[in-house]
Amino acid sequence: KAGVTQTPRYLIKTRGQQVTLSCSPISGHRSVSWYQQTPGQGLQFLFEYFSETQRNKGNFPGRFSGRQFSNSRSEMNVSTLELGDSALYLCASATDQTGRLTEAFFGQGTRLTVV
Amino acid sequence: LAKTTQPISMDSYEGQEVNITCSHNNIATNDYITWYQQFPSQGPRFIIQGYKTKVTNEVASLFIPADRKSSTLSLPRVSLSDTAVYYCLVDPGGYQKVTFGTGTKLQVIP
Repeated sequence: KAGVTQTPRYLIKTRGQQVTLSCSPISGHRSVSWYQQTPGQGLQFLFEYFSETQRNKGNFPGRFSGRQFSNSRSEMNVSTLELGDSALYLCASATDQTGRLTEAFFGQGTRLTVV
Repeated sequence: LAKTTQPISMDSYEGQEVNITCSHNNIATNDYITWYQQFPSQGPRFIIQGYKTKVTNEVASLFIPADRKSSTLSLPRVSLSDTAVYYCLVDPGGYQKVTFGTGTKLQVIP
């Protein structure tokens, strides 16, 4: 059974650009969550999608957005990149319909560097 | 949302039992306590979850006292491969976001 796949693994972007990250959940999982991890702030929740609907949203500016497709694959977009957006972006998939991270499976993440 | 507090780091010798305690004073009735393990450059991996008393699986035990204001992850006979960051989180479920703690960096020494 394939795990959670995130692409690309590494990305370098320039300040002001925008970026799109992709997450393919485990087959059958309909919940996808996104997280930002930095040395200073730790792991912070961005948003969660279930059956193409955003159910939960963290405290991030509107530059961070996402969507989920009918096949449960999800994308995250960051517009007008800032240096502080450099981080490891993780997605997690789960079967849970309640939004609880009961047994969420995380991908290996996308390392974004903004220069 | 309940905030969690756990030690920043811990050292342990191989073969010993390791106990990592997490404080979550403001835990709510519907919150579950979940622990994750993370290796460098990898995503967190689920270890164990509990609501109250004791939960045990093949890799760890989780002890939660009656007041649920803290929890203790117990790793029996750690090996070098257990060197990782361990996160305690309080999961409210429903339409609320989870909060990851700062994590405890466990270093297992040969």
